[in-house]
Amino acid sequence: GAGVSQSPRYKVAKRGQDVALRCDPISGHVSLFWYQQALGQGPEFLTYFQNEAQLDKSGLPSDRFFAERPEGSVSTLKIQRTQQEDSAVYLCASSQGSAGGVKETQYFGPGTRLLVL
Amino acid sequence: DAKTTQPPSMDCAEGRAANLPCNHSTISGNEYVYWYRQIHSQGPQYIIHGLKNNETNEMASLIITEDRKSSTLILPHATLRDTAVYYCIVGGSNYKLTFGKGTLLTVNP
Repeated sequence: GAGVSQSPRYKVAKRGQDVALRCDPISGHVSLFWYQQALGQGPEFLTYFQNEAQLDKSGLPSDRFFAERPEGSVSTLKIQRTQQEDSAVYLCASSQGSAGGVKETQYFGPGTRLLVL
Repeated sequence: DAKTTQPPSMDCAEGRAANLPCNHSTISGNEYVYWYRQIHSQGPQYIIHGLKNNETNEMASLIITEDRKSSTLILPHATLRDTAVYYCIVGGSNYKLTFGKGTLLTVNP
């Protein structure tokens, strides 16, 4: 079946612009995660949704970052007033059940590469 | 969650077994060892996980030492498509994965 998809795959923004990154999880998956991956580093957790509820946003680096999943399926990560340090790959992952299950594999999308000039 | 230590890079000849080590000396009793890999320009991909016993699936084998302070991921017959960054992650659940820098495995023809 279809995996996790993300759009756009690449985004160039001027410093100060707002951007919106979309994630389409695997159909029926309860859990959705966002990660940020800087060049040469491993992904870092940003936020977690269980259905439409955002249960953990402890990894969001500032109040310029906002994520939503209003109907419990598609999610959008919004970054306001982008800065150069926001340049990174933003990864979305989904899992079938509620997070916390040992056997709940996370399935990752290909990511959106954001470059802020 | 416990911290892991992996070599930054390794090489392997195509068709040979690739053995990727991971140290996790501070692992606690209820923490699992997970392995993910990330092929260039793709998102991470789950490989395998284990608690105490050795595990095997269609992708790889996971060998965990008896004291659980280290583990080895084994790709029995590496192919060029196995070239990727391999992440060893320790945690109490498959949630809020904490990735390190991983090991860049290069499979050579």
